[in-house]
Amino acid sequence: GQSLEQPSEVTAVEGAIVQMNCTYQTSGFYGLSWYQQHDGGAPTFLSYNALDGLEETGRFSSFLSRSDSYGYLLLQELQMKDSASYFCAVRDGVTGRRALTFGSGTRLQVQP
Amino acid sequence: DGGITQSPKYLFRKEGQNVTLSCEQNLNHDAMYWYRQDPGQGLRLIYYSQIVNDFQKGDIAEGYSVSREKKESFPLTVTSAQKNPTAFYLCASTSSGTGNSPLHFGNGTRLTVT
Repeated sequence: GQSLEQPSEVTAVEGAIVQMNCTYQTSGFYGLSWYQQHDGGAPTFLSYNALDGLEETGRFSSFLSRSDSYGYLLLQELQMKDSASYFCAVRDGVTGRRALTFGSGTRLQVQP
Repeated sequence: DGGITQSPKYLFRKEGQNVTLSCEQNLNHDAMYWYRQDPGQGLRLIYYSQIVNDFQKGDIAEGYSVSREKKESFPLTVTSAQKNPTAFYLCASTSSGTGNSPLHFGNGTRLTVT
């Protein structure tokens, strides 16, 4: 099986940078994904890392270290609209189950 | 515009009644999924389907049933056997079912059972 751990809440101010961490345990590894969900809304895909290193997409960056079973999502130039929950997710590699397992999410509050 | 439609947005039922949640997609995706989300929690996998007429149990399948008779449709029935059915239910699809294909989610159905 697999499990993922994320801090439950993070608070930051507008314009700042915030890092949200994710540690995972899985028998096989097929990459780490990140999703954003605003309150009451649908999760939306942000990024996917299969290999070690940093992937950048605009204000969002995602990092993966497979040796440490660790990744993080970095948000720069924070805006009020970034207030949301952020989930990391992995796919089960050993059983071949083609479905994502999600962490419990980090709730980001951006303050003025 | 292509997407996933879940209906209804809010659903209220009495305890002991079965209820079916609708999920339709016009993205031509092969794989479809049902997740359950409880307040302040992550998403837990109920059932998934990689292809028409085939589906697999997820981590919390007890008390739920699904069908996949058409590629576009993956309805979820919450049966009276589900002990705590009140939750937010999310349907998703993806093109290939592999880890690097992003999931596209519907807007969810919030089910309240009293």
